[in-house]
Amino acid sequence: KQEVTQIPAALSVPEGENLVLNCSFTDSAIYNLQWFRQDPGKGLTSLLLIQSSQREQTSGRLNASLDKSSGRSTLYIAASQPGDSATYLCAVRLSSGSARQLTFGSGTQLTVLP
Amino acid sequence: EAGVVQSPRYKIIEKKQPVAFWCNPISGHNTLYWYRQNLGQGPELLIRYENEEAVDDSQLPKDRFSAERLKGVDSTLKIQPAELGDSAVYLCASSLRGEQYFGPGTRLTVT
Repeated sequence: KQEVTQIPAALSVPEGENLVLNCSFTDSAIYNLQWFRQDPGKGLTSLLLIQSSQREQTSGRLNASLDKSSGRSTLYIAASQPGDSATYLCAVRLSSGSARQLTFGSGTQLTVLP
Repeated sequence: EAGVVQSPRYKIIEKKQPVAFWCNPISGHNTLYWYRQNLGQGPELLIRYENEEAVDDSQLPKDRFSAERLKGVDSTLKIQPAELGDSAVYLCASSLRGEQYFGPGTRLTVT
């Protein structure tokens, strides 16, 4: 069974800092990996999707990397802003079986202090 | 384009009462998902529909939970009777070619 772990569970940084969120997964036979943002009381917003054949994806100040062989992904946020405060979730989809099922980590709660 | 719509946004009920959640997916998305998210955890899949067919309901507690997706568009998730442990956020998502789009969720509190 695929397990997804996110470390740290919570992170607080001053505005302007660059930061890295970590995600690890136990089964490397993934189809893709997705990073989401969740604001309090809201649903999930997709930030970046990395296909298994890709190494990284970038969107604005966000960069996500994928190392399938080691079962790791990182989300890099440059020049953090208070508006980046949210919970960040990573989710993986396996290549076989229930191919469209996402397995989520528990998230990293990020607070960017002004 | 409208996103995934869910209602109600919040629901408070007493245990043993029934409750229903409604989801309207993005137009044209044939795949619909219901997830449950407990506090401090990531969402967990309850059921997945391909059009009107439930193709993955292995994690749906069938003794009290039921779902339907008539005509392959809107979907309803029902709990009867609700238990204290059912308090959570129930998220609906839809997809067309893999990438899932989530609704705002329904926060259920069972007292």
